[in-house]
Amino acid sequence: AQSVTQLGSHVSVSEGALVLLRCNYSSSVPPYLFWYVQYPNQGLQLLLKYTSAATLVKGINGFEAEFKKSETSFHLTKPSAHMSDAAEYFCAVSASYNNNDMRFGAGTRLTVKP
Amino acid sequence: GAGVSQSPSNKVTEKGKDVELRCDPISGHTALYWYRQSLGQGLEFLIYFQGNSAPDKSGLPSDRFSAERTGGSVSTLTIQRTQQEDSAVYLCASTGSGGFYNEQFFGPGTRLTVL
Repeated sequence: AQSVTQLGSHVSVSEGALVLLRCNYSSSVPPYLFWYVQYPNQGLQLLLKYTSAATLVKGINGFEAEFKKSETSFHLTKPSAHMSDAAEYFCAVSASYNNNDMRFGAGTRLTVKP
Repeated sequence: GAGVSQSPSNKVTEKGKDVELRCDPISGHTALYWYRQSLGQGLEFLIYFQGNSAPDKSGLPSDRFSAERTGGSVSTLTIQRTQQEDSAVYLCASTGSGGFYNEQFFGPGTRLTVL
């Protein structure tokens, strides 16, 4: 079965600094990978997804993630953090084309300091 | 509807009582998912519906948990004889039938507190 591991339950950066949230996956078949964001008191929303079309995926709000098969990683980055980026971020993996077997990581809470 | 809705938004119950949590998916969405979000545990998959049938119930943690979906729309997650460890946020998501790479759309969740 597929799974993801998010390294670091909490990450704190200063406003304007690089954001790097780490995600490693395990899958016996080529995976579909996702990042979701959960703002305080809101539901999860899709940030970006990897579906094998391109290894570098651009998402909303300036985030991007790079699929690295050799490292089984799908880390999320943003060049310059904004206060509004403070949220919880979840990495997810699916082994099926219709994503009905999606499994999520434990989440990383991002804090942005002024 | 415009989005996935869940009710109630908050539920406080006493240990041993039964609770029902409701999910209203996006109109026309055929697949529906229940997850549990506990502090520090991430999202734990509970059950998945395709239409009214549940091909994957593998995530239900015990036989106290059950779920049903009627009319291919609303779903109810029932927890019997609640325990304190059941306290969590219960999230529902739905997807359409577009086939590839279906995005799961999430509701705001129901926060369950078992005293």
